[in-house]
Amino acid sequence: GENVEQHPSTLSVQEGDSAVIKCTYSDSASNYFPWYKQELGKRPQLIIDIRSNVGEKKDQRIAVTLNKTAKHFSLHITETQPEDSAVYFCAASTSYGKLTFGQGTILTVHP
Amino acid sequence: DAGVIQSPRHEVTEMGQEVTLRCKPISGHDYLFWYRQTMMRGLELLIYFNNNVPIDDSGMPEDRFSAKMPNASFSTLKIQPSEPRDSAVYFCASRLTSGGSEQFFGPGTRLTVL
Repeated sequence: GENVEQHPSTLSVQEGDSAVIKCTYSDSASNYFPWYKQELGKRPQLIIDIRSNVGEKKDQRIAVTLNKTAKHFSLHITETQPEDSAVYFCAASTSYGKLTFGQGTILTVHP
Repeated sequence: DAGVIQSPRHEVTEMGQEVTLRCKPISGHDYLFWYRQTMMRGLELLIYFNNNVPIDDSGMPEDRFSAKMPNASFSTLKIQPSEPRDSAVYFCASRLTSGGSEQFFGPGTRLTVL
């Protein structure tokens, strides 16, 4: 089955800096890669996703890149703000299959 | 739509007791997932259903866990008997196949087994 590795497990940045979280996956059939943000005590919520027919997608301060050859994808957050502090999860799946989640990254943005 | 609904939001029980968690998916969604989240093991998929049929229950930890989906708008996850190591947050999620693969999570049930 699919295996998703996520790094780093914790990330600490100063407000205004950029943050990058990286994931690798094992199943070459995976073609859908979402990123979820989970604030303390809350449910995971989708912040951005990418499908295998594109290499990059942006939404304001958030971007995701995908390298299918290398089987890795990354989340980029620019101009970080304290409210970006949360746990971020990457995931991978085939179109209609189950999501396999990474282990999560605890992002802390210091004012 | 109110989103995915779970009940109860918090459950405290004693070891050996039966626990039933409930989920109502978003109307029209045909996939339903049950997850367990702990600090040690992260977010684990326990079981998922498609059109009320269990597709993959390989994540169910042991026979003490069972899940049902009697109709498209209701699912239960039962633990009998419960043990302290079952303490976790249990999330239900649903997804609409034809609308893409975004998966919506419920608010979760925080289970504490004493």
